[in-house]
Amino acid sequence: KAGVTQTPRYLIKTRGQQVTLSCSPISGHRSVSWYQQTPGQGLQFLFEYFSETQRNKGNFPGRFSGRQFSNSRSEMNVSTLELGDSALYLCASSLLQGGTDTQYFGPGTRLTVL
Amino acid sequence: SQQGEEDPQALSIQEGENATMNCSYKTSINNLQWYRQNSGRGLVHLILIRSNEREKHSGRLRVTLDTSKKSSSLLITASRAADTASYFCATDDNNNDMRFGAGTRLTVKP
Repeated sequence: KAGVTQTPRYLIKTRGQQVTLSCSPISGHRSVSWYQQTPGQGLQFLFEYFSETQRNKGNFPGRFSGRQFSNSRSEMNVSTLELGDSALYLCASSLLQGGTDTQYFGPGTRLTVL
Repeated sequence: SQQGEEDPQALSIQEGENATMNCSYKTSINNLQWYRQNSGRGLVHLILIRSNEREKHSGRLRVTLDTSKKSSSLLITASRAADTASYFCATDDNNNDMRFGAGTRLTVKP
């Protein structure tokens, strides 16, 4: 079974631009969670989608949004990029809702904002 | 915000020694999970322990959970250079959201 895949793996953007990251979960998994990882703040929960519905959202501004498609693939969008958005963005999939089940992580997308 | 707090922040040991990492958390949980992350890559799930369990083993890994102290420990026995990584504990809060700690950076010297 293929693992969680994320595209692109690396991305360089400039301030003010917007970016869309993609995550394909393990086949059969209905939950996709997104995390931001930075050296200063560590791993922080962004949001989780389950069966195309955003189930919960972390403490991030509205510039961060996401969606999930009927095939469980998920996209995350960040608008009006700021320097502080430079981070490793990780997505994770699980069969059940994230906190109750093992999450399988993708390799991440490394976003650099210049 | 982070739920779990690992300590120590960094640990350096020789190959063959045991490594113990601790995690403390603040709110009641349904389960606690440990993950490993090699530098700049995705996280790999190690063990999930439920709130009604006290100890769990997986190969060279041993995890304990003390809900009265709101703490957990991860023991890696007979460490290898390949165990060098960052280790995170993650807890689910009452909303079933995953919250990760800051991690322990483990270095195993050959």
